[in-house]
Amino acid sequence: GDSVTQMEGPVTLSEEACLTINCTYTATGYPSLFWYVQYPGEGLQLLLKATKADDKGSNKGFEATYRKETTSFHLEKGSVQVSDSAVYFCALLNSGGSNYKLTFGKGTLLTVNP
Amino acid sequence: DSGVTQTPKHLITATGQRVTLRCSPRSGDLSVYWYQQSLDQGLQFLIQYYNGEERAKGNILERFSAQQFPDLHSELNLSSLELGDSALYFCASSVFSGGYSGANVLTFGAGSRLTVL
Repeated sequence: GDSVTQMEGPVTLSEEACLTINCTYTATGYPSLFWYVQYPGEGLQLLLKATKADDKGSNKGFEATYRKETTSFHLEKGSVQVSDSAVYFCALLNSGGSNYKLTFGKGTLLTVNP
Repeated sequence: DSGVTQTPKHLITATGQRVTLRCSPRSGDLSVYWYQQSLDQGLQFLIQYYNGEERAKGNILERFSAQQFPDLHSELNLSSLELGDSALYFCASSVFSGGYSGANVLTFGAGSRLTVL
């Protein structure tokens, strides 16, 4: 079945540091890939997505490139802010027949210190 | 505000009891999805409904059931509750049931936190 593996956290960085959160996936067919973010006490929000190989999703300074050859979708940001502190989830959406469901990684907690 | 409304936000109950969680999808969305988030299992897909019909089932226990009503709101019923059912339950909605997967973006509610004592 489909699965998503993302790097274990927690990740603690200083403000303005570079961020990379690794995500790899296993899926049949051609899934779409997503990063969701969960701020403390809130639900999940879509951060960015990519729907086919070599697509780059970007939002709020975050980027991720859909790499089919390495089955990866790593999340990157050049300079993190305290407000980026949250849990980040990598996910894939595979259209198995007529059913659609997101498969999530376990999440990575990011803490950014001033 | 994502547009997906979940009630109640918090619920504390005892083992063996039954609870109902409610979800109103974003306006125009026909699909509703239920997810369970726990510390040990992470985010687990439970079930999906599209326009009143069940479309996909995930790791949903037999003690749990759901339905989607004609006005498109959905309810998740959890019965014979056990300590291990304590979790955050998320509802999400989307426009599509089928078609190009990249367009099927899910919008999540803020969740209902269930504590079973």
